[in-house]
Amino acid sequence: KAGVTQTPRYLIKTRGQQVTLSCSPISGHRSVSWYQQTPGQGLQFLFEYFSETQRNKGNFPGRFSGRQFSNSRSEMNVSTLELGDSALYLCASRRPQETQYFGPGTRLLVL
Amino acid sequence: GQSLEQPSEVTAVEGAIVQINCTYQTSGFYGLSWYQQHDGGAPTFLSYNGLDGLEETGRFSSFLSRSDSYGYLLLQELQMKDSASYFCAPSSGNTPLVFGKGTRLSVIA
Repeated sequence: KAGVTQTPRYLIKTRGQQVTLSCSPISGHRSVSWYQQTPGQGLQFLFEYFSETQRNKGNFPGRFSGRQFSNSRSEMNVSTLELGDSALYLCASRRPQETQYFGPGTRLLVL
Repeated sequence: GQSLEQPSEVTAVEGAIVQINCTYQTSGFYGLSWYQQHDGGAPTFLSYNGLDGLEETGRFSSFLSRSDSYGYLLLQELQMKDSASYFCAPSSGNTPLVFGKGTRLSVIA
């Protein structure tokens, strides 16, 4: 069974731009969560989607948004990029009550 | 609210045994997972304790005590490739896992 896939793997943007990251979950997994990982803050939860509905949201500004499609694929968007948004963005999928499986991540560099 | 405590760094010798502790405070606690992450890689699932006690998976074992809000990951016969960061992650029903900053394990010869 294929794992979680994320595109693109690497991305360079400049301040003020916006970016969209994509995540395809493991087949049959309807829950998709997004995390931001930085050296200083570690892994921080952004939001979780289940059946196209945002179920939980972390403590991030409104510039960070996401959505999920009917095939469970998910996208997250960051608008008005800041230098501090440079991070590894991880997507994870799971079945309810089960553990998460992570994708390889998208490494975003904001210049 | 939720909180997690893990040591930030641990160093151990190749072939030895190391224990990484985790204490947590969460509401609606369901189970405790452990993840490994190598530099530049994504977290990978190691083990899950849904019940109190010890779970063994090869060289890795994980323990949970709900009454003490405490768990640990035990790594035996350490190998250089075990050098990585290790995260404990409480799971609260359908609430996504909460991760801390992890424990960086360095295995030395």
